[in-house]
Amino acid sequence: GQQVMQIPQYQHVQEGEDFTTYCNSSTTLSNIQWYKQRPGGHPVFLIQLVKSGEVKKQKRLTFQFGEAKKNSSLHITATQTTDVGTYFCAGGMGYSTLTFGKGTMLLVSP
Amino acid sequence: DAGVTQSPTHLIKTRGQQVTLRCSPKSGHDTVSWYQQALGQGPQFIFQYYEEEERQRGNFPDRFSGHQFPNYSSELNVNALLLGDSALYLCASSRVAADYEQYFGPGTRLTVT
Repeated sequence: GQQVMQIPQYQHVQEGEDFTTYCNSSTTLSNIQWYKQRPGGHPVFLIQLVKSGEVKKQKRLTFQFGEAKKNSSLHITATQTTDVGTYFCAGGMGYSTLTFGKGTMLLVSP
Repeated sequence: DAGVTQSPTHLIKTRGQQVTLRCSPKSGHDTVSWYQQALGQGPQFIFQYYEEEERQRGNFPDRFSGHQFPNYSSELNVNALLLGDSALYLCASSRVAADYEQYFGPGTRLTVT
């Protein structure tokens, strides 16, 4: 079955440093979505990428979808303590079902 | 506009028992998906309901079953509970005709002892 791998599992940065998490799928995806889950919370939708090579920005967050539609990345510039949480990528393969990666837990020290 | 709601918030059950979890989708959404999230893991897809029918199913045993009602709300039933069923159960709703963005509810924390 489809697998979505995410690295790193965990990253601890100082406030102001950059952060990147990478996502790789074993199969070609129709779309990829990114979610953020705060400790004790539920996943919250950040963005969806659909087109090959697509790049989208949300303030300090930059999302990329690979040319082959099998990998993606999320880059945060100048992290803030409010960025703390676990970031999940989720690959879409039709309808609305998603295969989630295991997530990257981000800790930001002030 | 209410988002996705789930009940109960927390639940403690004993091995072998049965449990029913409930979900009301976001207004305007007609598709409900259920996910199981074990501690430290990403959500795992259980199944999806649309037009009161199970449309897709993940790799979960038949002990996991569900239902969708005409008002689009949904239930997840788990029979013969195992210790390994302890997890956060998340419901997500979406519009089948939309761009697949899913709105997650706060989840039900199930503990099996």
